[in-house]
Amino acid sequence: ELKVEQNPLFLSMQEGKNYTIYCNYSTTSDRLYWYRQDPGKSLESLFVLLSNGAVKQEGRLMASLDTKARLSTLHITAAVHDLSATYFCAVDQNTNAGKSTFGDGTTLTVKP
Amino acid sequence: NAGVTQTPKFRVLKTGQSMTLLCAQDMNHEYMYWYRQDPGMGLRLIHYSVGEGTTAKGEVPDGYNVSRLKKQNFLLGLESAAPSQTSVYFCASSYRGVETQYFGPGTRLLVL
Repeated sequence: ELKVEQNPLFLSMQEGKNYTIYCNYSTTSDRLYWYRQDPGKSLESLFVLLSNGAVKQEGRLMASLDTKARLSTLHITAAVHDLSATYFCAVDQNTNAGKSTFGDGTTLTVKP
Repeated sequence: NAGVTQTPKFRVLKTGQSMTLLCAQDMNHEYMYWYRQDPGMGLRLIHYSVGEGTTAKGEVPDGYNVSRLKKQNFLLGLESAAPSQTSVYFCASSYRGVETQYFGPGTRLLVL
């Protein structure tokens, strides 16, 4: 059974600082997704990582995937308040049905 | 395009009542999913469908039924609601199951 663990679960940062969120998973998978959820809202796709070594960047966020280590990272550069949200990683179960197992989410608060 | 829509947005039920949640997508996606999200947790898959007329069980299917009579619609039914089904329900869809999922706005359900 695929298990996905995110850490930290809660992260309070100061504006301008850098930090990394980690997503570890327990069984082989070649696809991993990152989503953002604002309070009371739905999930929005951030990144799709489809192969080992994949790196995607959008603004102050950069995601990477190491399938050998079963690890993905979401790096935040020079955080701003607008990045405050909950970030989920989701790991594909390799079933051809598009089923993913979600982590519990990392709630990020960026303070001035 | 409206993307993925869900009806209703909020509902209060008494224990034992039944209801149906409707999910509609206008992106011609083959794959559709129903999730529940409980406080402080990631999403858990209830049921999913890989095409019109097909459905399959996810991680937490007990107490729910689904139907996919039309490609654009995916219905989630609760036959006899229980307080443990109080949650936020999200519908999602994807084109081929190997891409990111697009989420609806969610339905907040409170079972008293």
